[in-house]
Amino acid sequence: ENVLTQSPATLSLSPGERATLSCRASQSVSSYLAWYQQKPGQAPRLLIYDASNRATGIPARFSGSGSGTDFTLTISSLEPEDFAVYYCQQCTNWPITFGQGTRLEIK
Amino acid sequence: QLQLQESGPGLVKPSETLSLTCTVSGGSISSSNCYWGWIRQPPGKGLEWIGSIHSSGPTYYNPSLKSRVTIFVDTSKNQFSLRLSSVTAADTTVYYCARHTSYRPFDYWGQGTLVTVSS
Repeated sequence: ENVLTQSPATLSLSPGERATLSCRASQSVSSYLAWYQQKPGQAPRLLIYDASNRATGIPARFSGSGSGTDFTLTISSLEPEDFAVYYCQQCTNWPITFGQGTRLEIK
Repeated sequence: QLQLQESGPGLVKPSETLSLTCTVSGGSISSSNCYWGWIRQPPGKGLEWIGSIHSSGPTYYNPSLKSRVTIFVDTSKNQFSLRLSSVTAADTTVYYCARHTSYRPFDYWGQGTLVTVSS
């Protein structure tokens, strides 16, 4: 099983600041890494696929990078609606696995 | 626009079988190269993939749940279903159905349904 480890567990920032979230895989996933945003009471929303491609309708302030085992989600300038939990997911191998999540909270 | 909707009992007794159905609208469940999956999330915790079924039939399950899980498709109703046997309180979670394709993430999700295991 490919274990995904996200860091930090919690990130406290203010609106307008830059957020950098990390996801590390125990085995290479090439570029088949996705990021989701989840708000309370809602299903996860796909943000990034193939490590760096924004899903339909996702604002340009969200960007992804990385390949192999190390990946980063960057939010260039935080908006109030960006405070949520973020998950990474690998799409390379069965079983499909998710990271444990990073909670982005308002400072 | 593809839409998915979970349905099923919100309360299941311990040791019984949990059964949920996901109804797909706005597209065919038989679409080539599509996988239809189930994911669950305990309240306040992270996401756990349960399993997926390919539009052509093969199934893939999380090894941690494999002995208790069955996923199957009913193409006549454009639905796919989850059965989880011998449930315990640890199976009390929100269950989501979702679609993905090969090497791609879950792009369409249901709203989720909370299932509580309790006598």
